[in-house]
Amino acid sequence: DIQMTQSPASLSASLGETVTIECRASEDIYNGLAWYQQKPGKSPQLLIYNANSLHTGVPSRFSGSGSGTQYSLKINSLQSEDVASYFCQQYYDYPWTFGGGTKLELK
Amino acid sequence: QVQLQQSGAELVKPGSSVKMSCKASGYTFTSYYIYWIKQRPGQGLEWIGRIGPGSGDTNYNEKFKGKATFTVDKSSSTAYMQLSSLTPEDTAVYYCARGLRRAWFDYWGQGVMVTVSS
Repeated sequence: DIQMTQSPASLSASLGETVTIECRASEDIYNGLAWYQQKPGKSPQLLIYNANSLHTGVPSRFSGSGSGTQYSLKINSLQSEDVASYFCQQYYDYPWTFGGGTKLELK
Repeated sequence: QVQLQQSGAELVKPGSSVKMSCKASGYTFTSYYIYWIKQRPGQGLEWIGRIGPGSGDTNYNEKFKGKATFTVDKSSSTAYMQLSSLTPEDTAVYYCARGLRRAWFDYWGQGVMVTVSS
């Protein structure tokens, strides 16, 4: 199975700050990567697919980048509604696997 | 609008089975796969597998073979997942989600909390 290592596990940032979350795959996943946001008690919501494509309706302050085994999610100008957990997921090879998550809080 | 409406929370005994549903609306049911994902309390996400409503073909994560069984009812645009021989380790929220064959999950159900306890 492809292992997805996400960092950091938790993150505290101030409003307006830029935040970056990293995801490393145990092998090349050829941009087969998605990012999800999950708020407490809610289901995950798609943010980014194909490593860098923004899902419909997602604010443009979210962006994804990377290639090979290294990927990142960037949130520009952090808003209060961005407080959530974030997960990466690879869909290059079965079984599809998720990163362990990053919990983002306000400082 | 696309919606995946899941059935309600379940409290079940160890060794028993549970069957949950995921009713799709707002799109052509047979055009997308239905995926099932497990999330244990306070933990990450695990891909259980998927079913193609049009063809009925299934793929299971090896870890969940023998544990999970997927079915669909095309007439009601509903997918089902049955979990068998339940243990406390099966206590989790189970999500259904929509996606293409080798792609991301663009819409998710609200989740079903399954609690396995005597």
